[in-house]
Amino acid sequence: AQTVTQSQPEMSVQEAETVTLSCTYDTSESDYYLFWYKQPPSRQMILVIRQEAYKQQNATENRFSVNFQKAAKSFSLKISDSQLGDAAMYFCAYRIKGAQKLVFGQGTRLTINP
Amino acid sequence: DAGITQSPRHKVTETGTPVTLRCHQTENHRYMYWYRQDPGHGLRLIHYSYGVKDTDKGEVSDGYSVSRSKTEDFLLTLESATSSQTSVYFCAISENLIYGYTFGSGTRLTVV
Repeated sequence: AQTVTQSQPEMSVQEAETVTLSCTYDTSESDYYLFWYKQPPSRQMILVIRQEAYKQQNATENRFSVNFQKAAKSFSLKISDSQLGDAAMYFCAYRIKGAQKLVFGQGTRLTINP
Repeated sequence: DAGITQSPRHKVTETGTPVTLRCHQTENHRYMYWYRQDPGHGLRLIHYSYGVKDTDKGEVSDGYSVSRSKTEDFLLTLESATSSQTSVYFCAISENLIYGYTFGSGTRLTVV
């Protein structure tokens, strides 16, 4: 079975500092797509960043970047200059090429301390 | 919500009653999904649809059925609600899965 593991159920960081959320996945496929979603207290799920496995360059979106280690099957999310609005549940997900669905991890709840 | 609406937003129902949740999209996307979100389990797929009248089961489909009679609507029915189905239910849509999903705002269902 395809699985995604987020080993940190909860994390906290001081405002303005950097935090990294970890995600590992299990697949024997070589072509797939990876995603990080954010769920703030409003409950709305928001796509933060995505990565295509065939691209070696790590994706970046403003203060959000990923560290994609294909051989290790690791896809961590780095948030720089953390802001209070970053407080949320974060979900890692992936989809192998040709599959009709995404598989999600269990989530990491991120708290930002002022 | 980028043209996706879930209704109702909240619902309380009694054990043993049937419940239907609705997902409506205005994006004309091919794929539609129902997930449930529970603490410690993340998002788990219940059912999905890859076209009108084309549906398939996800990993937690027992006790649920779906219907998609037109592109814009995807209904999730709990045939006889149980307390274990208390959860937050999310609908998602996609036209091209390399870009992931767009989610609805969720339905919080409580079965008492």
